Amino acid sequence: ELKVEQNPLFLSMQEGKNYTIYCNYSTTSDRLYWYRQDPGKSLESLFVLLSNGAVKQEGRLMASLDTKARLSTLHITAAVHDLSATYFCAAVYSGGSNYKLTFGKGTLLTVNP
Amino acid sequence: DTAVSQTPKYLVTQMGNDKSIKCEQNLGHDTMYWYKQDSKKFLKIMFSYNNKELIINETVPNRFSPKSPDKAHLNLHINSLELGDSAVYFCASSQDGSNTGELFFGEGSRLTVL
Repeated sequence: ELKVEQNPLFLSMQEGKNYTIYCNYSTTSDRLYWYRQDPGKSLESLFVLLSNGAVKQEGRLMASLDTKARLSTLHITAAVHDLSATYFCAAVYSGGSNYKLTFGKGTLLTVNP
Repeated sequence: DTAVSQTPKYLVTQMGNDKSIKCEQNLGHDTMYWYKQDSKKFLKIMFSYNNKELIINETVPNRFSPKSPDKAHLNLHINSLELGDSAVYFCASSQDGSNTGELFFGEGSRLTVL
């Protein structure tokens, strides 16, 4: 069974600082997703990483995927308050249904002025 | 124009009642899902339908019955509601053959069982 672990689960940081959220998964997965959820809202797709070494950037967020290490990272550069949200990673088990995303527990990010 | 829409957004009901949540997507996607998000924000898949056919049925009490009248709609009916059913239920859809398999989520339906 695919397990997805994120850390940290809670992250409080100051504006202007950099930090990284880590996402480890337990079995082979060739697709990794990052989603953002604001309080009481839906999940918004941020990045889809499809191959080993994939790197994608959008604004102050950059995501990468290392399939050999079974690790994805979400790097935050010069954080601003608007980035405060819960961030989820999700993976698909390569040997199972393409339709089944398994989510991590989420990282609650709070950016303080 | 909302891509994945759910109704109702909020539902408060008593234990033992039966309730339904409806979902519609206008993205032309082939696959639809129900996810449950608990109070700790943990997201777990419940069901998935592909072109009206059930393809994922996780370990969910049989009080939960999904129904897909067509590929644009996926409804969730819950019988004999229990306190532990209180959660936010998210509908989502994705496109077959898409190289990303990306899910698009609805706004969620917050169910509170008293």
